[in-house]
Order: sequence, then structure tokens, then C-alpha cells
Amino acid sequence: AQTVTQSQPEMSVQEAETVTLSCTYDTSENNYYLFWYKQPPSRQMILVIRQEAYKQQNATENRFSVNFQKAAKSFSLKISDSQLGDTAMYFCAFMGSFTGANSKLTFGKGITLSVRP
Amino acid sequence: DAGVTQSPTHLIKTRGQHVTLRCSPISGHKSVSWYQQVLGQGPQFIFQYYEKEERGRGNFPDRFSARQFPNYSSELNVNALLLGDSALYLCASSLESNQPQHFGDGTRLSIL
Repeated sequence: AQTVTQSQPEMSVQEAETVTLSCTYDTSENNYYLFWYKQPPSRQMILVIRQEAYKQQNATENRFSVNFQKAAKSFSLKISDSQLGDTAMYFCAFMGSFTGANSKLTFGKGITLSVRP
Repeated sequence: DAGVTQSPTHLIKTRGQHVTLRCSPISGHKSVSWYQQVLGQGPQFIFQYYEKEERGRGNFPDRFSARQFPNYSSELNVNALLLGDSALYLCASSLESNQPQHFGDGTRLSIL
């Protein structure tokens, strides 16, 4: 079974600064997907960024980028130029890549990020 | 295009009752998954459906059931409600079962 661990319950960052959120996971699979989701107080879970395990290049989406270390099973999210709207809970999630099989998301416990003005 | 829509937004029930939650996926999405999110925790997988067939079930009791209709919408049913069933229930849809999942706003279920 896969597990996802987010050991930091809370973080705070000054507006315009950079912050890194940590995530580790455990799996015996070789091919899989990793995600970061954002959940603001409005509660909708929003996909921030996606990484395929077979790709060595780290994914980037505007101000969001990841540091994917497959051997270490580490998947951190870096938010550059933090904005007040980035205040939310952030969840790291794992999904296996078997086509046609159950592709559930396994989530970590999440981290509450607060951006200070 | 409309995103994933869930109804109702909020629901209050008492112990022992049953509840039906509804989900309409993004147009063209064939896979629907259900998750339970207890306050302060990450979502936990309940069910996944693809083309009206159950593709996976999480570690939830038989009181929980679901189905998917020909138009790919889905219902989650919970019988004999317990206080511990109080949670945010999230529905997610994807084009195929192994594609990125897009979530609805959820249904907040409170059990008194």
C-alpha cells in the first residue's frame, strides 16, 4: 500500500517570498503520478501541479515548481513570489499508473500555509 | 464548461438515517471517484467508478454504497448514519480512470 507523509502541519511566509512544502511517500511501484492540490477555505480541491515518475525533469506551473527525488521518494513544492491568495491547505497526493485499474488518490494529511501581508 | 457539481452543499441528518449525495462530472469525463474528508485531515478514498462499473473500493463499511449512471453522474449512499460519518464528501471526475482528477466543492454532512 502507498503512504504519503507531510510532516509539517503549518507554515507561514511573507508575501513575495519563496516557500517550500515537503512531502515524502512510500511505494513499491516504479511508474506513478504525484500531485499537489490546494484547498482554500472555500473547500474546493484545486490541482496545482502534476509530476509523472518516469520524467526526470521537474514540473513547473508559473510560480509553482516541484523538486522530485525518485530515489529518495521525496516530492516538495516550491511557491515563488507568494501571494495572499496562496493561503490554503496544501495536499500532496499519489496515484498509481495502471491503466484500467483503480487509480485512487492517496493523500497526505496536508499542510496549512499562511501568507502574511 | 461547468466543473464537477455536487448536491446538496450542506446536509444535516440524525444518527440512523440514510443519505444520498449526488455528483455530476465534467462533460466528457467517464470516471468518478468519491472521497471522505474529516476535518483537518486529507481526503480518504471511498469508491471509484468508470463506465458504470466499480473500479475500486476503499476501507469503508458496507453501509457505504455508490453507483454511476449512463450519463456518468453518480450517487453515494450511506445507510445507518453514525456520528463519525460527519465529514466533507468530495466527488472527483477524470477523463479516464488514470487521469488527473478534478474535484467538486463537496457536500458537508453533519450528523447530530
